[in-house]
Amino acid sequence: GAVVSQHPSRVICKSGTSVKIECRSLDFQATTMFWYRQFPKQSLMLMATSNEGSKATYEQGVEKDKFLINHASLTLSTLTVTSAHPEDSSFYICSAVRDYPTVGQYFGPGTRLTVT
Amino acid sequence: GQQLNQSPQSMFIQEGEDVSMNCTSSSIFNTWLWYKQEPGEGPVLLIALYKAGELTSNGRLTAQFGITRKDSFLNISASIPSDVGIYFCAGLAGGTSYGKLTFGQGTILTVHP
Repeated sequence: GAVVSQHPSRVICKSGTSVKIECRSLDFQATTMFWYRQFPKQSLMLMATSNEGSKATYEQGVEKDKFLINHASLTLSTLTVTSAHPEDSSFYICSAVRDYPTVGQYFGPGTRLTVT
Repeated sequence: GQQLNQSPQSMFIQEGEDVSMNCTSSSIFNTWLWYKQEPGEGPVLLIALYKAGELTSNGRLTAQFGITRKDSFLNISASIPSDVGIYFCAGLAGGTSYGKLTFGQGTILTVHP
């Protein structure tokens, strides 16, 4: 159990367009999800905390108007990169917190975004 | 903000050798976690440590939570080719295994058969 999926796994888009990335908890409900980004050969950097039914909390330096997060249900959070630019190209990873039957945080497989 | 310094950055070892990597922090964490990440995948939790001084094993992996709560190490014994990947330490201010994680820079492990 405790499977987290992301869709798409890879996406290529043109500069100026918007891209939506989905994070789903497949076999548990998650009131809290997190979004990270990872540049090649670097560590994961937390972007924001996604809370079901309320506004996301963004980390310092992350533009909330550029990285729109919507946690509309207990199994789905979406990250939309608006007006993407090449510097937004990165590996985006989500994690979801499971409260029952045991507490834990589980990562998705990541989404590779390339902006051309 | 909080930062974790992880070393070494990379290791090239022969199959069968033992491996050791560590993380230090400028501030206290109440939970230390160790993850492994393979190319194109998300991190997978290996070991979670909740108490200062705690020593925990998971198969060939052993990790310890430093007494000062500002450091942790991970040992891998008798390495095998499938141990290849990037290993990350992560810290949590809270005493749980979930929440806002601060990650170390990662240790890239290469195992030669």
